[in-house]
Amino acid sequence: AQSVTQLGSHVSVSEGALVLLRCNYSSSVPPYLFWYVQYPNQGLQLLLKYTSAATLVKGINGFEAEFKKSETSFHLTKPSAHMSDAAEYFCAVSETYNNNDMRFGAGTRLTVKP
Amino acid sequence: NAGVTQTPKFQVLKTGQSMTLQCAQDMNHEYMSWYRQDPGMGLRLIHYSVGAGITDQGEVPNGYNVSRSTTEDFPLRLLSAAPSQTSVYFCASSWAPSDTQYFGPGTRLTVL
Repeated sequence: AQSVTQLGSHVSVSEGALVLLRCNYSSSVPPYLFWYVQYPNQGLQLLLKYTSAATLVKGINGFEAEFKKSETSFHLTKPSAHMSDAAEYFCAVSETYNNNDMRFGAGTRLTVKP
Repeated sequence: NAGVTQTPKFQVLKTGQSMTLQCAQDMNHEYMSWYRQDPGMGLRLIHYSVGAGITDQGEVPNGYNVSRSTTEDFPLRLLSAAPSQTSVYFCASSWAPSDTQYFGPGTRLTVL
């Protein structure tokens, strides 16, 4: 079955610094890949998704992610962190042809220091 | 357009009690699912439905039942609550399992 691994359960950056959240996936067929964000006491919201079009995907709030098949990675980046980016981020994978369930990573909590 | 709604927001149960978590969506999505979120484990799929009258088990279905009598509603039943079911429960809906999921605000359940 498909799976994702998020490297680092906690990431701390200073305001204005680069944000890099790592995600590696495993899938037997071409995957769909997603990044979701969860603000405190809320449900998850979609940040961006990869569905086999452009490998560099731009999302909301200045985030982007690059699909690298050779590295089975889908890392999330933002050039300049803002205090409002503090949240938990989840990478998820589903399989394009199996129409199976979506699998989520364990999550990475992002802290932004002033 | 309310999206995905869940009730209640908070619930405390005693071991052995049963209850139903409610979930409704107004986007006419065929696919609905229930997840539980536990620290350090991300979201794990409990049950899902690909349309009215059709349900199936996810990754962690034991101790839970679901039914889907209408497109809009997808309740989750805890048959006999156990402390291991203490968690935050999220309902989600989408056009397809592989498509963007729209999440409800969650239900925080504590089983004593």
